[in-house]
Amino acid sequence: EIVLTQSPGTLSLSPGERATLSCRASQSVSSSYLAWYQQKPGQAPRLLIYGASSRATGIPDRFSGSGSGTDFTLTISRLEPEDFAVYYCQQYGSSPPRTFGQGTKLEIK
Amino acid sequence: QVQLQESGPGLVKPSQTLSLTCTVSGGSISSGSYYWSWIRQPAGKGLEWIGRIYTSGSTNYNPSLKSRVTISVDTSKNQFSLKLSSVTAADTAVYYCASVGYDGVLDYYYGMDVWGQGTTVTVSS
Repeated sequence: EIVLTQSPGTLSLSPGERATLSCRASQSVSSSYLAWYQQKPGQAPRLLIYGASSRATGIPDRFSGSGSGTDFTLTISRLEPEDFAVYYCQQYGSSPPRTFGQGTKLEIK
Repeated sequence: QVQLQESGPGLVKPSQTLSLTCTVSGGSISSGSYYWSWIRQPAGKGLEWIGRIYTSGSTNYNPSLKSRVTISVDTSKNQFSLKLSSVTAADTAVYYCASVGYDGVLDYYYGMDVWGQGTTVTVSS
């Protein structure tokens, strides 16, 4: 089973700032099958990035994903008020289970 | 655009079987363009992948739950279902169904791009 470790656990930033979230895998993620999700309180997660770097439909271009192998990054170029939420990475390329990271909470400073 | 809606009992007694259904609208569950998945989230905690099914009936389960989980599909009703047996309080969570986009020609998976709104299941006597 691939274990995903996200850092930091909590990130405190102000609107307009740049956010960098990390996701590290315990072994290589095949075919860069790494996704990022955003979850707000009381809501289902929303797909932001798939294939490590492809934005899902309707996702603003301030969200970008990068990385390969075991190290992946989600970058939000300029934070908007609606971006403050919990972010999860997920690998979906290896044999089950399709594991999630533990999440990074992005909070307003 | 496909939409998903979970349904089922909100309260299940310990040792019994949790049964949930996800109804697919706006598309056919048999289209071959999706895998159909279940995920859960205990209150205040992270996401746990439970398993998935393809239209062929092929399934994959989380090894930590495999002995208790069954996911099935009913193409006549455009639904897929989750059964989790021998539940305990540790199975109390919000349960989500979700679709994973799949391109059979490229053999390429997209992320979980459509989610239900989630249904809360409490295991308690």
